[in-house]
Amino acid sequence: KQEVTQIPAALSVPEGENLVLNCSFTDSAIYNLQWFRQDPGKGLTSLLLIQSSQREQTSGRLNASLDKSSGRSTLYIAASQPGDSATYLCAVPSRRNQGGKLIFGQGTELSVKP
Amino acid sequence: NAGVTQTPKFQVLKTGQSMTLQCAQDMNHNSMYWYRQDPGMGLRLIYYSASEGTTDKGEVPNGYNVSRLNKREFSLRLESAAPSQTSVYFCAIGTRGFFGPGTRLTVL
Repeated sequence: KQEVTQIPAALSVPEGENLVLNCSFTDSAIYNLQWFRQDPGKGLTSLLLIQSSQREQTSGRLNASLDKSSGRSTLYIAASQPGDSATYLCAVPSRRNQGGKLIFGQGTELSVKP
Repeated sequence: NAGVTQTPKFQVLKTGQSMTLQCAQDMNHNSMYWYRQDPGMGLRLIYYSASEGTTDKGEVPNGYNVSRLNKREFSLRLESAAPSQTSVYFCAIGTRGFFGPGTRLTVL
């Protein structure tokens, strides 16, 4: 059974710092991996989706990498801002070709201090 | 274009009461999903519908029923609410995980 883990559970950094969030998964036969952002009391917003054939995806100050063989993904946030404060979750499909049936990590709660 | 809407936003029930959570989409996706989010447990799939007229159980279906009324609407019903069903419920659509704003349910 696929399991997704995110460490650390919480992270506090000063504004301007570059940071890395970690996601690990137990079954390397994944179809893709997504990173989501969740603001307090809100729903989830998809940030980046990496297909299994890709090594990384970039969107603005965000860069997500994928290493299937080691069962790891990282989300790199450059020059962090207070507006980046949120919970970040990673998720993988439970089975191939079932993209919407997602298994989530428990998230990393990020706080960026001015 | 509202994307995914969920009603109600908040609800308080007493143990044993029933209610239906509504989800509607205007993005013409075939697949729709219900998740619950609990502290320390993350998001877990309750039920999903791959297309109109089909529904299947997810990881935690006990105590819930669903109806895919048409392509736009997917409802989640609690027949006899229990305190263990206190949670935040999210509807999602499509294979990219487009999520609604959530329903915050408390069962006393």
